Amino acid sequence: QVQLEESGPELVKPSETLSLTCTVSGGSISPYYWSWIRQPPGKGLEWIGCIHYSGNTNYNPSLKSRVIISVDTSKNQFSLKLTSVSAADTAVYYCARQEFFDIWGQGTMVTVSP
Amino acid sequence: DIVMTQSPDSLAVSLGERATIKCRSSQNLLYDFNNKNYLAWFQQKPRQPPRLLIYWASTRESGVPDRFSGSGSGTEFALTISSLQAEDVAIYYCQQYYSTPWTFGQGTKVEI
Repeated sequence: QVQLEESGPELVKPSETLSLTCTVSGGSISPYYWSWIRQPPGKGLEWIGCIHYSGNTNYNPSLKSRVIISVDTSKNQFSLKLTSVSAADTAVYYCARQEFFDIWGQGTMVTVSP
Repeated sequence: DIVMTQSPDSLAVSLGERATIKCRSSQNLLYDFNNKNYLAWFQQKPRQPPRLLIYWASTRESGVPDRFSGSGSGTEFALTISSLQAEDVAIYYCQQYYSTPWTFGQGTKVEI
């Protein structure tokens, strides 16, 4: 069955760029939309944005100025870049299939700290 | 943005008893053209990602026990666990997919 796995640095310095990749295995990245969602420690869920396998994107306006989501269909991967991070961006970052968010990765904890 | 508000924030229920979680949206989630409510429910256990339980407000995801049911329409929704089991201890979230940005409720913690 389809599985998702997030990868990337666990520690990012303030003002730098957070970069994560989600690898889709057991199925094709098409024809779906794929999302990034984050969860600060002990808090709720925040949708960051999504991308279609064709490259069409949709971002949360609250983060839009700092977010870029891209897709690499040849590698069955999609990626997140979040610029100018601060401590408020410390969270578990999840990738998920945007079919009612029916499939999620296990999540990766990213800490923003000097 | 559509604001999703859940109640209560936490709930303690005896094993075998019914648990009901409510979710209210700040805007109507019912699309007239297909008569569907764009509302999902998730269960999250500690150190795990959320798990989809219900979509279209009342359609159970494959593999979800039938003690979980969703109801409601428009702006008022509910998730009911008909007979609480120990493995149902978790935080439950509602989520709207009527319009972006997709938004979640703040979560309801269910305990024994």
